[in-house]
Amino acid sequence: DSGVTQTPKHLITATGQRVTLRCSPRSGDLSVYWYQQSLDQGLQFLIQYYNGEERAKGNILERFSAQQFPDLHSELNLSSLELGDSALYFCASSVGHLNTEAFFGQGTRLTVV
Amino acid sequence: DAKTTQPTSMDCAEGRAANLPCNHSTISGNEYVYWYRQIHSQGPQYIIHGLKNNETNEMASLIITEDRKSSTLILPHATLRDTAVYYCTVSGGSYIPTFGRGTSLIVHP
Repeated sequence: DSGVTQTPKHLITATGQRVTLRCSPRSGDLSVYWYQQSLDQGLQFLIQYYNGEERAKGNILERFSAQQFPDLHSELNLSSLELGDSALYFCASSVGHLNTEAFFGQGTRLTVV
Repeated sequence: DAKTTQPTSMDCAEGRAANLPCNHSTISGNEYVYWYRQIHSQGPQYIIHGLKNNETNEMASLIITEDRKSSTLILPHATLRDTAVYYCTVSGGSYIPTFGRGTSLIVHP
């Protein structure tokens, strides 16, 4: 158990809909990362927050957004969903943002039908 | 961040050492080498990291060459549960774990 909690574990929704994925980082971790993993793309970095502020952006679509709240939990919002958004979404956390290992949650499997 | 190159796949007999190589020839002086693994569709798991000295923990050993252009992750006594995709990543300063295709390690009985 990494200490990172993601909910829900599974989500099935229709095209065009909006969903919110939630991540609770390990106790004491200030940095949260979001990743998308689909079969053909591998693990893609989406976005990082550190202590409530956006710190780095990767290959995140404009239809996707995220935020980190004062209690340090984070949410990833996916809107106008398309079939191609079906993937595993992982959250990771680390103590800081400098050379420190990251710990991953078990992911949310999103299926868009 | 430096680019890494890993073999696509490897296999190992149970109980034997698994030696997973990684090439990072463009690594710079302040960049660390990290290893993670991912067991089928689970979240990636941190294994070990190092800068220039060899490192060992309860999971594995990390051997970094003197010129730091390559490294080897060693699982001393591989078990079937070590079957996974192993990722070598390099990062310095602001660290964002980024993953290539990794090495698919199959441990067979």
